[in-house]
Amino acid sequence: QFALTQPASVSGSPGQSITISCTGTSSDVGLYNYVSWYQQYPDKAPKLMIYDVSKRPSGVSNRFSGSKSGNTASLTISGLQAEDEADYYCSSYTISSLYVFGTGTKVTVL
Amino acid sequence: QVQLVQSGAEVKKPGASVKVSCKASGYTFTFYSIHWVRQAPGLGLEWMGMINPSAGTTTYTQKFQGRVTMTRDTSTSTVYMELSSLRSEDTAVHYCARDLGAGTGSLDNWGQGTLVTVSS
Repeated sequence: QFALTQPASVSGSPGQSITISCTGTSSDVGLYNYVSWYQQYPDKAPKLMIYDVSKRPSGVSNRFSGSKSGNTASLTISGLQAEDEADYYCSSYTISSLYVFGTGTKVTVL
Repeated sequence: QVQLVQSGAEVKKPGASVKVSCKASGYTFTFYSIHWVRQAPGLGLEWMGMINPSAGTTTYTQKFQGRVTMTRDTSTSTVYMELSSLRSEDTAVHYCARDLGAGTGSLDNWGQGTLVTVSS
């Protein structure tokens, strides 16, 4: 099982919106609505930001939203803030009843 | 509140085994699966496998088949991950994480991580 493909880096200015893509296959992202997104600060455990493609856990800002089209899922951060600068990972359930993470994206706030 | 507390850092020699624990509290232990995820220095997240604490059933990714064993002790609400035949590439922070619902892989609570260093 290969990792899902994410851009290595995405950047934006404060207040802008950015979108991070997560490309898989018809055996994972394209087959199930079980895509999650995680935010990770350096030397910290990941934090769940989005699950089941577009659901937000309690306490997560509504500036974070998720969607999916075909084999590609996306995380959008609107009204970008300095505190959003972190690494972001997607993950998906797969046809093999396993799970796979994305390659990770470093978000930089300019 | 939900908490997952992991055992401390380990230093092992190549070929040895390591057993990391993950003690759960604040919820009904048998209701939620626990996943193990690791992260090598400077690299991304890697899913290792999961255990259903109620039935004790496990699923491992092929990469670790034969080298990883996940178990649980329901009397202490603790999950264990044992990795054998360690090599330098196993140097990583290993996390346990709770699955929010029905094995969808939505990991809503994470342990603090356990650094396993493999070095001769």
